[in-house]
Amino acid sequence: KQEVTQIPAALSVPEGENLVLNCSFTDSAIYNLQWFRQDPGKGLTSLLLIQSSQREQTSGRLNASLDKSSGRSTLYIAASQPGDSATYLCAVNYGGSQGNLIFGKGTKLSVKP
Amino acid sequence: EAQVTQNPRYLITVTGKKLTVTCSQNMNHEYMSWYRQDPGLGLRQIYYSMNVEVTDKGDVPEGYKVSRKEKRNFPLILESPSPNQTSLYFCASSLSRFSPHSSYEQYFGPGTRLTVT
Repeated sequence: KQEVTQIPAALSVPEGENLVLNCSFTDSAIYNLQWFRQDPGKGLTSLLLIQSSQREQTSGRLNASLDKSSGRSTLYIAASQPGDSATYLCAVNYGGSQGNLIFGKGTKLSVKP
Repeated sequence: EAQVTQNPRYLITVTGKKLTVTCSQNMNHEYMSWYRQDPGLGLRQIYYSMNVEVTDKGDVPEGYKVSRKEKRNFPLILESPSPNQTSLYFCASSLSRFSPHSSYEQYFGPGTRLTVT
């Protein structure tokens, strides 16, 4: 069964810290991996998309890496800010006929001023 | 602005009263899908559509119907809602289901919070 796991489930850090969110997946034959941000009661905002042939993607203070062989991805957030507080979701696309994303349950991040 | 829109954003209804949640995208995307999000279960796909008039079941299709008569619209229909369909619903779209040469980012709507009493 294809599963996506995110650890930790919750993380609290002081403002200014650099932090890493982890995502692991059971089947390494992925098509792409997408990181999302979800604010309470809100929709999903796509942060970064990593294709299976890529090792990392960067956008501003965010850097996502992908290691297919070990079934892992990380989202690095530099110089965290209170506005970064949200739930971060990792989603894997295996490119099957269904085309669906397999989501992890998320890491709830709280950045304290 | 490229976006996926959903209506309504919030809905409270009673058991058995048919309802439709609309989804529309303005990016000329072929692939559209519906997810529901529940505490402890995460997001799960309900139905998907690879193009106009082509729809298929996702992982949790029971109690739902969809249609894809136009490329931009993909409504979710609950013929006889029940309390276990109380959830947060998301519509998503991407350029294509998949391509052998590149990957396509999926875009999500703002969500519809449905409560069935």
